[in-house]
Amino acid sequence: GQQLNQSPQSMFIQEGEDVSMNCTSSSIFNTWLWYKQDPGEGPVLLIALYKAGELTSNGRLTAQFGITRKDSFLNISASIPSDVGIYFCAAPGQGGSEKLVFGKGTKLTVNP
Amino acid sequence: GAVVSQHPSRVICKSGTSVKIECRSLDFQATTMFWYRQFPKQSLMLMATSNEGSKATYEQGVEKDKFLINHASLTLSTLTVTSAHPEDSSFYICSARVPPTNYGYTFGSGTRLTVV
Repeated sequence: GQQLNQSPQSMFIQEGEDVSMNCTSSSIFNTWLWYKQDPGEGPVLLIALYKAGELTSNGRLTAQFGITRKDSFLNISASIPSDVGIYFCAAPGQGGSEKLVFGKGTKLTVNP
Repeated sequence: GAVVSQHPSRVICKSGTSVKIECRSLDFQATTMFWYRQFPKQSLMLMATSNEGSKATYEQGVEKDKFLINHASLTLSTLTVTSAHPEDSSFYICSARVPPTNYGYTFGSGTRLTVV
């Protein structure tokens, strides 16, 4: 089945540092989504990418849709303590499926 | 923006009882909603796809008689965990597609179910 390989699994950084995480797949996707989940909450959409090669920013967050359509990355610049959480990549399944395929998540810890 | 409201946020029930979780789209109509289960430190696992006016589609391995889904209106889907057991304790999250964007999925805030 379709899988999203997300890395790294966890990151421990100092406040102010930049962060990069990515998702890869052997399958081609037409949309890539990045979500953040805080403890005890549902995921919140950060950035949606709809076109290969697209580079989109949302404040300190930047995400890119890989040109091969098999990967995407998310960067966070100048991290702050409230960036702590789990970040998931996701993509709608192929073949017209409405179901989202999720990566396993990247747990981010920011030390003040 | 599109909001999905999920209730309750936390529930504790006794073994053998049933629990209903509601998922409402507040400012849009959702013909399709999704129910997920999430174990600690793991990703979201899709349980079923809820379709307004028709039967839900369950993922392989999910017991449809145990996890009853009803999507009676364009703004409400419910998940009922029947005859709950401690192993059903988990974090349940609903999601809905937001029209007219092709893949705008918004999530509820989740329900922490504890079966004692």
